[in-house]
Amino acid sequence: DVKVTQSSRYLVKRTGEKVFLECVQDMDHENMFWYRQDPGLGLRLIYFSYDVKMKEKGDIPEGYSVSREKKERFSLILESASTNQTSMYLCASSAWGETGNTIYFGEGSWLTVV
Amino acid sequence: AQKVTQAQTEISVVEKEDVTLDCVYETRDTTYYLFWYKQPPSGELVFLIRRNSFDEQNEISGRYSWNFQKSTSSFNFTITASQVVDSAVYFCALSEARRGAQKLVFGQGTRLTINP
Repeated sequence: DVKVTQSSRYLVKRTGEKVFLECVQDMDHENMFWYRQDPGLGLRLIYFSYDVKMKEKGDIPEGYSVSREKKERFSLILESASTNQTSMYLCASSAWGETGNTIYFGEGSWLTVV
Repeated sequence: AQKVTQAQTEISVVEKEDVTLDCVYETRDTTYYLFWYKQPPSGELVFLIRRNSFDEQNEISGRYSWNFQKSTSSFNFTITASQVVDSAVYFCALSEARRGAQKLVFGQGTRLTINP
């Protein structure tokens, strides 16, 4: 089974802190994604990466950056956390192949910025 | 631009009833993928099905079935004989079918509550 693991399930951070959300997948997938989920707004794409050291902005990249130094790991960085970044963050991965591009998600990280 | 609409925000039914979740999509691509995901209260998004735009055959998996109609740009999901464990938020999603462009566009989700 595909496993996408997010390092922290629940975090509480202070405004202005630098926050790292880590995600690791064990299936050698080339694509990785970060989404945030908010009530009434659904899931919105922050950043994605289709190869090591490659990144593409999603729909809401402002206030975030990402890092993909190794294929299995995709980090989301909040340079200076703000209260409007309180949300659930979901990491996902996928591979391109005969089975198409099924995207698998981690369990989510609930971030509260106070 | 791609768009997915799930017009039903919330649905509540009694156990053993059949329920259909609607999904309508918009895309200019001729080749694309459609998905359904289930999100239980724990938060994880669980993959249910992927459908290629070339394959309009309906699919059945146990109590779950999916009706894909390209003519109406719809990909509806039916649960037969619903159970309390089916209570969750269900998302329909769409992606392009080309390498490097596989990001998902989600609908707003439908919260399904199955009452005992």
